[in-house]
Amino acid sequence: DAKTTQPTSMDCAEGRAANLPCNHSTISGNEYVYWYRQIHSQGPQYIIHGLKNNETNEMASLIITEDRKSSTLILPHATLRDTAVYYCIVGDGGATNKLIFGTGTLLAVQP
Amino acid sequence: NAGVTQTPKFRILKIGQSMTLQCTQDMNHNYMYWYRQDPGMGLKLIYYSVGAGITDKGEVPNGYNVSRSTTEDFPLRLELAAPSQTSVYFCASRRAGVYAFFGQGTRLTVV
Repeated sequence: DAKTTQPTSMDCAEGRAANLPCNHSTISGNEYVYWYRQIHSQGPQYIIHGLKNNETNEMASLIITEDRKSSTLILPHATLRDTAVYYCIVGDGGATNKLIFGTGTLLAVQP
Repeated sequence: NAGVTQTPKFRILKIGQSMTLQCTQDMNHNYMYWYRQDPGMGLKLIYYSVGAGITDKGEVPNGYNVSRSTTEDFPLRLELAAPSQTSVYFCASRRAGVYAFFGQGTRLTVV
């Protein structure tokens, strides 16, 4: 599984967009980028994933650079409930994808 | 679907005791995972399984054992509990090519 690098922490004002970066410079061609978040020691929750195209769902948008070496998770209108640790993971989704988590980014949404 | 169910939610063990953490999923997922999360830290993979009868070590397997006799169940066994095993344990499952679902965790204290 390719390794990822994320900032340790970020702040965001409530109502503003939160942009969380992830570096995955060793990603392979068949590996997806997955984002999860963990709110206050609950079980992690899936947010979004993508391969090479930008993706959007009801929770967030995912922007993947053309060389696929980095990506950005965008929460368009952050709320206090979005305060959480956000994890970026890469893998091919197959049996060898061990789902290794890094340290993630603690996003603190400020009122 | 109940998703991924972990029992118990809380447990206090004495040093040297043994216990089994239970994990059950009703989504017919092939892949299952056990993680531990120490306070303020990320998730560390203990063991994983890609199907009934197949298990493999993750990042921190020492002091733990697993078995996978059915698709639904993936119990984690602690033998001779030590204070270093005080942690929150998460179980997860997924299907090939799909994101993972996590349980709500078991909070274990070894005294």
